[in-house]
Amino acid sequence: AQTVTQSQPEMSVQEAETVTLSCTYDTSESDYYLFWYKQPPSRQMILVIRQEAYKQQNATENRFSVNFQKAAKSFSLKISDSQLGDAAMYFCAYRSARGGSQGNLIFGKGTKLSVKP
Amino acid sequence: NAGVTQTPKFRILKIGQSMTLQCTQDMNHNYMYWYRQDPGMGLKLIYYSVGAGITDKGEVPNGYNVSRSTTEDFPLRLELAAPSQTSVYFCASSYNPDRGKEQYFGPGTRLTVT
Repeated sequence: AQTVTQSQPEMSVQEAETVTLSCTYDTSESDYYLFWYKQPPSRQMILVIRQEAYKQQNATENRFSVNFQKAAKSFSLKISDSQLGDAAMYFCAYRSARGGSQGNLIFGKGTKLSVKP
Repeated sequence: NAGVTQTPKFRILKIGQSMTLQCTQDMNHNYMYWYRQDPGMGLKLIYYSVGAGITDKGEVPNGYNVSRSTTEDFPLRLELAAPSQTSVYFCASSYNPDRGKEQYFGPGTRLTVT
């Protein structure tokens, strides 16, 4: 079974600085998808960024980018120019490319990010 | 579009009571999901549905039931509530997960069983 591990329960960053959140996963599959979701205090789960495993190029979305290392099974999220609104829980999630129940999202335990003004 | 809506936002149940958590989506998504999030943990899948009339168990289905009579609605039923079911419940939907499309989440329902 696939697992997702986020080894940093909490992180802190100064406003305008850069922070990197770590995520590792375990799978024997070669085709899958990886996601970072943001959960602010409102509890709403918001997709931050998505990466397809077959793509070598790292995904970017404005200030958010990932470092996808397929061989190392690592998927870190870099937030540049951190803003107060970035403060939230961040969840890394894995999804197999297979259908059915094997294609459901598997979440890590999350990293709580604080942003200091 | 309202996206994924859930009711109620909060609920307190006594042990042994039953209730239904409502979930509706207006994006014409075939796939719908129910997750629970316990304190300090990620989300765990309770049940999912790939279309009207088709449901299947996820990782933690015990104590819950679902039905999917329409594309839009996917209610979650708790029978004989237990303290272990105290959690935040999220409903989600997706158009085509087989292409890695994202899941859209509702705002969650915070349930306390005492």
